[in-house]
Amino acid sequence: DAGITQSPRHKVTETGTPVTLRCHQTENHRYMYWYRQDPGHGLRLIHYSYGVKDTDKGEVSDGYSVSRSKTEDFLLTLESATSSQTSVYFCAISESGGTPAQETQYFGPGTRLLVL
Amino acid sequence: ILNVEQSPQSLHVQEGDSTNFTCSFPSSNFYALHWYRWETAKSPEALFVMTLNGDEKKKGRISATLNTKEGYSYLYIKGSQPEDSATYLCAFRSGYSTLTFGKGTMLLVSP
Repeated sequence: DAGITQSPRHKVTETGTPVTLRCHQTENHRYMYWYRQDPGHGLRLIHYSYGVKDTDKGEVSDGYSVSRSKTEDFLLTLESATSSQTSVYFCAISESGGTPAQETQYFGPGTRLLVL
Repeated sequence: ILNVEQSPQSLHVQEGDSTNFTCSFPSSNFYALHWYRWETAKSPEALFVMTLNGDEKKKGRISATLNTKEGYSYLYIKGSQPEDSATYLCAFRSGYSTLTFGKGTMLLVSP
């Protein structure tokens, strides 16, 4: 298994509170991604990073921010959580943006977030 | 936003049946097509990455084909087993985008 951990694994929070999810990798992979998974929508990209301090928006970035100050850590922050952000969040990593094989993504175990 | 469609949405087969499902994607500016297998309560795991028109990949009883000109890929499972029960995701990459995932085909194999 790729060395990817996510913390916390489960979280219950209230509307309006800030929430930070952490993704940690031990593979020294350049690319890191945050997805959310919702019934009927599959996996949707929130933000991704292609290097330390280099990030870009995905399909559903509104209400989320990210930071990557070290290769191994990619943080996802919900500045003011809303009930629509109740979801399962997956972090993924890939080796590089080079060959298609190097773009194979390896997923973390997921974080289940409930916003009341 | 790129449109990646998978069909059927779900499938229920008996042990020993062979089955196949489809991933459709834009045929222009193709770069790569990935297949993932996602078991319940686990994380998606990579099965194949395909890049060339006519590509065929195989892993045990699972195989996949690719037609980039018409924008589709088939995933085949020969002699389905209960442990094949999972959601199968395809993900498309164009020349200008990150991976876009389909919604998946949920396969249930009954003993």
